[in-house]
Amino acid sequence: QVQLQESGPGLVKPSETLSLTCIVSGGSINGYYWSWIRQPPGKGLEWIGYVYYSGSTNYNPSLKSRVTISVDTSKNQLSLKLNSVTAADTAVYYCARQESSWSTNWFDPWGQGTLVTVSS
Amino acid sequence: SYVLTQPPSVSVAPGKTAGITCGGNNIGSKSVHWYQQKPGQAPVVVIYYDSDRPSGIPERFSGSNSGNTATLSISRVEAGDEADYYCQVWDSSSDHPGVFGGGTKLTVL
Repeated sequence: QVQLQESGPGLVKPSETLSLTCIVSGGSINGYYWSWIRQPPGKGLEWIGYVYYSGSTNYNPSLKSRVTISVDTSKNQLSLKLNSVTAADTAVYYCARQESSWSTNWFDPWGQGTLVTVSS
Repeated sequence: SYVLTQPPSVSVAPGKTAGITCGGNNIGSKSVHWYQQKPGQAPVVVIYYDSDRPSGIPERFSGSNSGNTATLSISRVEAGDEADYYCQVWDSSSDHPGVFGGGTKLTVL
């Protein structure tokens, strides 16, 4: 079945750019929407945004000015960049495939998540 | 953006039925999805499209949605059901379509 694996630096300095990659295995990235979701330690889930395999995107308005999500179909992977990070961006970052039906979407499966800490 | 409200915690004795609510304005007009998250693990969908169960999810998990409240019900609760549960909707008319509730910690007494 489809598996997702996030990777990237676990520590990022304030004001710098957080960069993560999500590799999709066991299935094609084509034909689907893919999201990034984050979870600060001890807190709830926050949707960051999605990318369609064609490259179109949609971002959470609260992060839109700082976030870029892209897809590389040749490598079957998607990426997240979040610039000008602060301590408030410390979180476990998940990638997830979006399942769609009618006008709704849900997330399945999810990657295992990767903890990114913003600290000098 | 659309707001989903969940109780922070719910407690239930083993063998009983737990109900976790998710409130939202006219949520009955939307499809609600539910995730289970155990400590240190990624969320897993347990109910999608209000009441459908993915393969591998026990029949003890069920969902309903009407009016301003959606409910995840877990019957014959087991110790292994202790986890955080999140509801989620997709508000396609919004510029913030992906919306999660704040999460509910289910404690099995």
